[in-house]
Amino acid sequence: EVQLLESGGGLIQPGGSLRLSCAASGFTFSSHAMLWVRQAPGEGLEFVSSINPGGTETSYAESVKGRFTISRDNSRDTFFLQMNSLRADDTAVYFCAKDPNWQGDYWGRGTLVTVSS
Amino acid sequence: DVVMTQSPLSLPVTLGQPASISCRSSLSLLFRDGNTFLSWFHQRPGQSPRRLIYQVSIRDSGVPDRFSGSGSGTDFTLKISRVEADDVGVYYCMQGTHWPATFGGGTKVEIK
Repeated sequence: EVQLLESGGGLIQPGGSLRLSCAASGFTFSSHAMLWVRQAPGEGLEFVSSINPGGTETSYAESVKGRFTISRDNSRDTFFLQMNSLRADDTAVYFCAKDPNWQGDYWGRGTLVTVSS
Repeated sequence: DVVMTQSPLSLPVTLGQPASISCRSSLSLLFRDGNTFLSWFHQRPGQSPRRLIYQVSIRDSGVPDRFSGSGSGTDFTLKISRVEADDVGVYYCMQGTHWPATFGGGTKVEIK
């Protein structure tokens, strides 16, 4: 069974940092690009970041560029989102997902990040 | 970044009747390898998105054949041939041809 399990969310003050993790199982993790997608309360889906299978190419939404860093550890079937300089408008449920361009639709259940003083 | 524009924002539908959602991109989504990376997702409140269609028209496993995707270049459509109660929720298109990927704003489908 395919599983993506996010962790690391929580309540953080503005300007603080959090590191999200997404642990994958049930598929060949190292063969696929992976994504982070977020959804602010009552809002639509927003692409945050992606990383290629080898971890050598990354992409970021303009809204997080320079503050967030995506990485992966293929030996542990896990990828990460380091979030620095957090702002109130980063408050959202963060989903991890497999690259949706190809066969196989895999999403995590999401982890809530709340940025508030 | 590529802008994805969905219409309508809200779509009241009658059970058993067809429904159609449009998605337009600000750039052609045809990739140099000949693929077009346009996906459609369905999301119910409190749930993760579920992909219905990828590469414009390929249905995901388990997706009823009531759902179909079509289009090319910058204009794409998701059609539901006969709406069922389980189809309510928000539908999103997403392009993965030009990175960063981008989503449409969503179309809320509800039963009349």
